[in-house]
Amino acid sequence: GAGVSQSPSNKVTEKGKDVELRCDPISGHTALYWYRQSLGQGLEFLIYFQGNSAPDKSGLPSDRFSAERTGGSVSTLTIQRTQQEDSAVYLCASSLAGGPRTDTQYFGPGTRLTVL
Amino acid sequence: AQKITQTQPGMFVQEKEAVTLDCTYDTSDPSYGLFWYKQPSSGEMIFLIYQGSYDQQNATEGRYSLNFQKARKSANLVISASQLGDSAMYFCAMREGRGNTPLVFGKGTRLSVIA
Repeated sequence: GAGVSQSPSNKVTEKGKDVELRCDPISGHTALYWYRQSLGQGLEFLIYFQGNSAPDKSGLPSDRFSAERTGGSVSTLTIQRTQQEDSAVYLCASSLAGGPRTDTQYFGPGTRLTVL
Repeated sequence: AQKITQTQPGMFVQEKEAVTLDCTYDTSDPSYGLFWYKQPSSGEMIFLIYQGSYDQQNATEGRYSLNFQKARKSANLVISASQLGDSAMYFCAMREGRGNTPLVFGKGTRLSVIA
């Protein structure tokens, strides 16, 4: 079946602008994760959604970052007033919630964000 | 302290040879999962193999096997019969606790397969 998809694949924006990144998880996956991959910081967890529970926002680096997940499926990560340090690849992953063996996270191709 | 340590920034291996990529982890949670992902130059993270903390046997998936030494807290990835297409970044990751929790990643090892 279809994997995790993300859009856009590349985004170039000017400092101070807002951006929205979209993630479509694998159909039927109830858990959805956002990570950020940058040269200096490696792969960092940002936020995760599990079913109808309140999201775990513990990885968000500042209040300029927010995310929502509509209808338990598509998720949008929003970065307000972008800064140059926000430049990174933003990766989305999804997983089933059936237990330890089914919680393998499958990743999308990522969105490369460049803030000028 | 780092939860996942990959000490080899880069590795070279001859085509058709086996290679071991090192990973050590640190957790006090008795329940955890260990994962290896491959990231080719295209950027996508590809799941390779999973090992649960309570698994009695080492995980295997085709040419990939995981050398799990629980007492030493190591989870090394072994790739047998290396192919040119195996050239990529390889990340070790850990999930602590049961169920769906975020992954913690190591810094990765860049593997280059030489013809």
